[in-house]
Amino acid sequence: ETGVTQSPTHLIKTRGQQVTLRCSSQSGHNTVSWYQQALGQGPQFIFQYYREEENGRGNFPPRFSGLQFPNYSSELNVNALELDDSALYLCASSLETGGADTQYFGPGTRLTVL
Amino acid sequence: DQQVKQNSPSLSVQEGRISILNCDYTNSMFDYFLWYKKYPAEGPTFLISISSIKDKNEDGRFTVFLNKSAKHLSLHIVPSQPGDSAVYFCAARVHTGNQFYFGTGTSLTVIP
Repeated sequence: ETGVTQSPTHLIKTRGQQVTLRCSSQSGHNTVSWYQQALGQGPQFIFQYYREEENGRGNFPPRFSGLQFPNYSSELNVNALELDDSALYLCASSLETGGADTQYFGPGTRLTVL
Repeated sequence: DQQVKQNSPSLSVQEGRISILNCDYTNSMFDYFLWYKKYPAEGPTFLISISSIKDKNEDGRFTVFLNKSAKHLSLHIVPSQPGDSAVYFCAARVHTGNQFYFGTGTSLTVIP
């Protein structure tokens, strides 16, 4: 059974640029959630995708967008990067929407915005 | 607006002793609570959960207690082991929602 993987591991961008982060969910999982974890903070929910549709969104602006593909892998896109977007981005997959104890996290992508 | 709070950034405990990690919340609509453990360079790993209809849930060395009137939960680890050294996050969810609210984490160090 393959766990949740994320790419790239680290990324450096400059303010105003756009970035795409990728997540491969655990085999058989159809739900992917994305979180932003700033330094010294806990993960903050960005949004969730369930069967290729957005299924809930946290308090993040529209320049944070996502996609889920038929194989349930997912992308997080951030446009017009700001310095405060520097953070660890985590994705988590689960078998169904809800059911927290089945949510498996990837190792994260560390984004630095200069 | 931090709805889930972990007021102790760090905790050190001797091996074999009890570790108690605390978490407070403000939203009375939360009805499902979880603890995650995070090692450096890894994603958080689910540890234990509790529903608001219970006040205690136990899994091996780990027990979570929920005090709804005080809006407080705690994680007890007995006995503590050096491998338990990690950052622990508590998280909460509203019953009808799919959004989890996380605390800021407590870094536990278990001293051999």
